[in-house]
Amino acid sequence: QKEVEQDPGPLSVPEGAIVSLNCTYSNSAFQYFMWYRQYSRKGPELLMYTYSSGNKEDGRFTAQVDKSSKYISLFIRDSQPSDSATYLCAMKTSYDKVIFGPGTSLSVIP
Amino acid sequence: DAEITQSPRHKITETGRQVTLACHQTWNHNNMFWYRQDLGHGLRLIHYSYGVHDTNKGEVSDGYSVSRSNTEDLPLTLESAASSQTSVYFCASSETGGSYEQYFGPGTRLTVT
Repeated sequence: QKEVEQDPGPLSVPEGAIVSLNCTYSNSAFQYFMWYRQYSRKGPELLMYTYSSGNKEDGRFTAQVDKSSKYISLFIRDSQPSDSATYLCAMKTSYDKVIFGPGTSLSVIP
Repeated sequence: DAEITQSPRHKITETGRQVTLACHQTWNHNNMFWYRQDLGHGLRLIHYSYGVHDTNKGEVSDGYSVSRSNTEDLPLTLESAASSQTSVYFCASSETGGSYEQYFGPGTRLTVT
């Protein structure tokens, strides 16, 4: 079993839809939970991060962490064609390296 | 502005040749990382360094080596390129300590024929 699992998609939604992206993990020691966005032929960039459990909101993006279920989510409201990218979840303990999920490819159709 | 650059951006090489991919960062970060990205596998860590003269193996280090002689650069060498090493390679850096944020370069697309 991989430490971090993520549905690779591809996921295709119409413009304006609410998008839900999810990851599951196995290591209960993970404390930092991140979402990176990667546009085609570019390097990943940090989109959001959450420390421990709870929700965090930034504009149209909401990150949720449920440590009891070992499950994290990223919600995108009012999705735009510019949101079309691959979204990678990532996690780390307080002392170890970042572990990345395989990424979910998202297309938002105008 | 600080940045992280990689060169070349594209490289085609033959099986058995030695290849070096360059990574240069101006963030003054102590931590630097090399990943490869393949469909179905996501980002896999090859080697990493926490400072000058420090290098460590990641999960897919066989056939690769790195050396760190200064803060800014972490070149990745493929000792004898194999077709299985055809991939997109990303360099990243982060601040000292347990930083969760990594800054990635634009990537190098390597094809081994």
